[in-house]
Amino acid sequence: ILNVEQSPQSLHVQEGDSTNFTCSFPSSNFYALHWYRWETAKSPEALFVMTLNGDEKKKGRISATLNTKEGYSYLYIKGSQPEDSATYLCASRSGGSYIPTFGRGTSLIVHP
Amino acid sequence: KAGVTQTPRYLIKTRGQQVTLSCSPISGHRSVSWYQQTPGQGLQFLFEYFSETQRNKGNFPGRFSGRQFSNSRSEMNVSTLELGDSALYLCASSLGSGSVDTQYFGPGTRLTVL
Repeated sequence: ILNVEQSPQSLHVQEGDSTNFTCSFPSSNFYALHWYRWETAKSPEALFVMTLNGDEKKKGRISATLNTKEGYSYLYIKGSQPEDSATYLCASRSGGSYIPTFGRGTSLIVHP
Repeated sequence: KAGVTQTPRYLIKTRGQQVTLSCSPISGHRSVSWYQQTPGQGLQFLFEYFSETQRNKGNFPGRFSGRQFSNSRSEMNVSTLELGDSALYLCASSLGSGSVDTQYFGPGTRLTVL
């Protein structure tokens, strides 16, 4: 059974705060780790695809790191804005399974 | 470039009926994946089609099936509907390069089974 865990489950921050959340995944037979942002009433939007141990990706104020040896990825948001409010999902293709297994997501609410 | 479209957006069916959902991928994308989102289970992978062939399959019963046409449009069928099939069904398209593909999601079809 493959488990992709995300923490925390939800997060409330003030505008301007920096924040980060974690995605843990099976470290064996790693193929790729995907991060998505899912805003209410919209479709999930791809943020990053990460494949190499030590990979770091950046998109504006959002960045992510990957550790495939220990099976975790961090997503960082610098200077959170209300428009960053969304559920952030990770999906792993690892542990001997090529199909993507999603975590339950971290719900971020940024208060003005 | 037009995004991924799904039809219908909302659907109400009764137990025992069957349903067909449609997904039109972004032009040039050859892979279409289907997902089920429920409050209890989160987002779960159903299957992926590439060049009209099922390439990967998730852990769902045989009542869930799909197909892909030569223009890459895909349909998903659920037969003998159960109450637990009530969910948001999302499709996502990608170029089809493999695990590093960026997936682009459609708006989803909200299925309610009464």
